[in-house]
Amino acid sequence: KAGVTQTPRYLIKTRGQQVTLSCSPISGHRSVSWYQQTPGQGLQFLFEYFSETQRNKGNFPGRFSGRQFSNSRSEMNVSTLELGDSALYLCASSWNTGNDTGELFFGEGSRLTVL
Amino acid sequence: LAKTTQPISMDSYEGQEVNITCSHNNIATNDYITWYQQFPSQGPRFIIQGYKTKVTNEVASLFIPADRKSSTLSLPRVSLSDTAVYYCLVGDRYSGAGSYQLTFGKGTKLSVIP
Repeated sequence: KAGVTQTPRYLIKTRGQQVTLSCSPISGHRSVSWYQQTPGQGLQFLFEYFSETQRNKGNFPGRFSGRQFSNSRSEMNVSTLELGDSALYLCASSWNTGNDTGELFFGEGSRLTVL
Repeated sequence: LAKTTQPISMDSYEGQEVNITCSHNNIATNDYITWYQQFPSQGPRFIIQGYKTKVTNEVASLFIPADRKSSTLSLPRVSLSDTAVYYCLVGDRYSGAGSYQLTFGKGTKLSVIP
């Protein structure tokens, strides 16, 4: 069974540019959530999508956005990149049906470097 | 959301049992306690989940006292490969909002020494 796939794995951008990251969840999972991980702040929740609807949003500026498609694949976008956006961006999927542990299955992440 | 407090780091020798305690004083009735493990440059991995008393699986045990204001993850006979960051999460797993997903924090960095 294929795991959560994130692309690209590594990318380098310059300040002011925008970036789009992609996440393909485990087949059958309808919930996809995104996290930002930095050495200083740890693992912080960005947002969660379920059946194409954003259900939760963390405390990040509007430059961070996302969406989910009908096949549950998700993308997140960061506009007007800042140096502080350099981080590992992790995507996780889960069943989240209410009858499971809610276990999150994480991808290996997309490491973004902003110069 | 229940806030959790964990030690920032811990050291242990190989072969010892390691106990990592998490405090969650304002845990709600519907909240479950879940622990994740993360190796460098990888996403976190689910270890164990519990509601009360004791839960055990093939890799760890989770002890939750009656008041549920804390929990202890127990790793038996750790090896070098258990060196990782361990996160304690508390939340309502049945919530349509998936609220427990919001609070990974910085976790506990466990270093296993040969």
